[in-house]
Amino acid sequence: DQQVKQNSPSLSVQEGRISILNCDYTNSMFDYFLWYKKYPAEGPTFLISISSIKDKNEDGRFTVFLNKSAKHLSLHIVPSQPGDSAVYFCAASGHAGNMLTFGGGTRLMVKP
Amino acid sequence: DARVTQTPRHKVTEMGQEVTMRCQPILGHNTVFWYRQTMMQGLELLAYFRNRAPLDDSGMPKDRFSAEMPDATLATLKIQPSEPRDSAVYFCASGPPGLSYEQYFGPGTRLTVT
Repeated sequence: DQQVKQNSPSLSVQEGRISILNCDYTNSMFDYFLWYKKYPAEGPTFLISISSIKDKNEDGRFTVFLNKSAKHLSLHIVPSQPGDSAVYFCAASGHAGNMLTFGGGTRLMVKP
Repeated sequence: DARVTQTPRHKVTEMGQEVTMRCQPILGHNTVFWYRQTMMQGLELLAYFRNRAPLDDSGMPKDRFSAEMPDATLATLKIQPSEPRDSAVYFCASGPPGLSYEQYFGPGTRLTVT
């Protein structure tokens, strides 16, 4: 039973356009959400996060939106750059002790 | 430049052999996590330590897997005996004390069991 789902295994976008990566969760106890980026042969690195008391958090070209009623979050990258090509994982936490539950990842390809 | 280190980076072994993976968390971090990445399951949490004490290992097959923290600078994940289905990339992550949810990942150990 996957509590965090990324239903699109891959996404291809033209350089300069917007990339939108989606994530759905089922556990209403989750109250903190994160996005990680992973390049081949490297570990995931933290990208951006959002608390459940907010519906939007922005950091440069990256914006995360949270829709609690729909149990859905999305990551927007504008404008997309070829260096953004990576696998993106969303993660959620609501447990005491900082445990994270990860989605299956979405591979983003930004074409020049 | 503080980083989580993992050794070995690659391991090829035969079915039935023991495999030990090591992780050095970032100095000062008090939480350590072991994950397994497979094509089908994404990132699965195997074990979680805080202040060297195991808090959750419900994601770990108990019959063949074991995780320990002999000291604050070393975490180990052992598989004995290994099986082909254990082939995956194993990541270690550490986290700072307090309420931060951020985890800092090592580069992973790619395990192949033939």
